Amino acid sequence: QVQLQESGPGLVKPSQTLSLTCTVSGGSISSGGYYWSWIRQHPGKGLEWIGYIYYSGSTYYNPSLKSRVTISVDTSKNQFSLKLSSVTAADTAVYYCARVGSSSGYYYEFQHWGQGTLVTVSS
Amino acid sequence: QSALTQPASVSGSPGQSITISCTGTSSDVGGYNYVSWYQQHPGKAPKLMIYDVSNRPSGVPDRFSGSKSGNTASLTISGLQAEDEADYYCSSYTSSSHVVFGGGTKLTVL
Repeated sequence: QVQLQESGPGLVKPSQTLSLTCTVSGGSISSGGYYWSWIRQHPGKGLEWIGYIYYSGSTYYNPSLKSRVTISVDTSKNQFSLKLSSVTAADTAVYYCARVGSSSGYYYEFQHWGQGTLVTVSS
Repeated sequence: QSALTQPASVSGSPGQSITISCTGTSSDVGGYNYVSWYQQHPGKAPKLMIYDVSNRPSGVPDRFSGSKSGNTASLTISGLQAEDEADYYCSSYTSSSHVVFGGGTKLTVL
């Protein structure tokens, strides 16, 4: 059973870059067949898709965040990462990583999730 | 891309059925049969309940069902149980290989 675990600083200062890593166990990112995604949830609010990456490095980003987001993959470590630049208090949220599958060729089924990590943006 | 529209809350008594709607546009819900639904209990990660509009992953009770008409998808839970009380989110594949979520619906089991 695949498991995902987010890691990274829980506190980031405004204007700095938020960096998180998701470590995957129970399955290999380089096997292909899945996209690997970041999703966030503002306190008490709904889910927001940030973007996702394939093992080859192909990425897709939410247009509203695209100018500040970079998702990368390290297949040697079986990890993928999120960088969000120029953060403000509005970026305070629980950040989840997830494995995205497809039964139809369209990747949108968030099948497995990490437990989430709260990142607070504050000075 | 705008979030899909869901009612903020729905409620029902044990044993009853409830339906949660999810309204999008022809660029997402209406344009593809790629709608999924997630259940989220407080403090927990979301769990995939429905994919491809109406398919259930292994282990999801058949009390959960999905459908779609035009730009609106729906999740129906029949035979409500106390453990079904949670937040529910819809999601859709969109053009340009993007994904959009709904704003979420809080289900209260009375």
